[in-house]
Amino acid sequence: GENVEQHPSTLSVQEGDSAVIKCTYSDSASNYFPWYKQELGKRPQLIIDIRSNVGEKKDQRIAVTLNKTAKHFSLHITETQPEDSAVYFCAASMGGGNKLTFGTGTQLKVEL
Amino acid sequence: GAGVSQSPSNKVTEKGKDVELRCDPISGHTALYWYRQSLGQGLEFLIYFQGNSAPDKSGLPSDRFSAERTGGSVSTLTIQRTQQEDSAVYLCASTSPQGSTDTQYFGPGTRLTVL
Repeated sequence: GENVEQHPSTLSVQEGDSAVIKCTYSDSASNYFPWYKQELGKRPQLIIDIRSNVGEKKDQRIAVTLNKTAKHFSLHITETQPEDSAVYFCAASMGGGNKLTFGTGTQLKVEL
Repeated sequence: GAGVSQSPSNKVTEKGKDVELRCDPISGHTALYWYRQSLGQGLEFLIYFQGNSAPDKSGLPSDRFSAERTGGSVSTLTIQRTQQEDSAVYLCASTSPQGSTDTQYFGPGTRLTVL
């Protein structure tokens, strides 16, 4: 089955700096890659996703890149703010409503 | 509209007891998923239902775990003879796979504590 690895497990940045979180997947059949943000005690919420037919997607300060050949995808957050502090999870799926396989999460801390 | 809801929000039980966790998906969503999140860990897939198809049970950790979805809407996850290692937050999600969206919307979870 699919295996998703995520790095780093913790990331501390200064406010205004950029943050990058990287994930790799094992199953070449996966074609849908969402990123979720989970604040303490809250439910995971989708922040951005990408499909395998595109290489990059942006939404304001957040971007995701995908390299299908290398089977890795990354989350980029620019101009970080304290409210970006949370745990971020990457995931992979074969799409069409299939289950998500999650990475182990990255605890992002944005320091003032 | 209303999001995914789950009940109870917290459940404390004694080892060996059975528990039932409930999930109400977003109205009209045909796919429903159960995941488990242990303290400080990622989300672990348990089971999912898609329309009238047979459920994918490949993530259930043991035969003490079962789930059903009645009428294509509400789902119940049952854990029999609970063990301390079952303590976790159980999250439900739903989506409508038609069209181009695969976004899974999560409920608030049920925090299960087995004493």
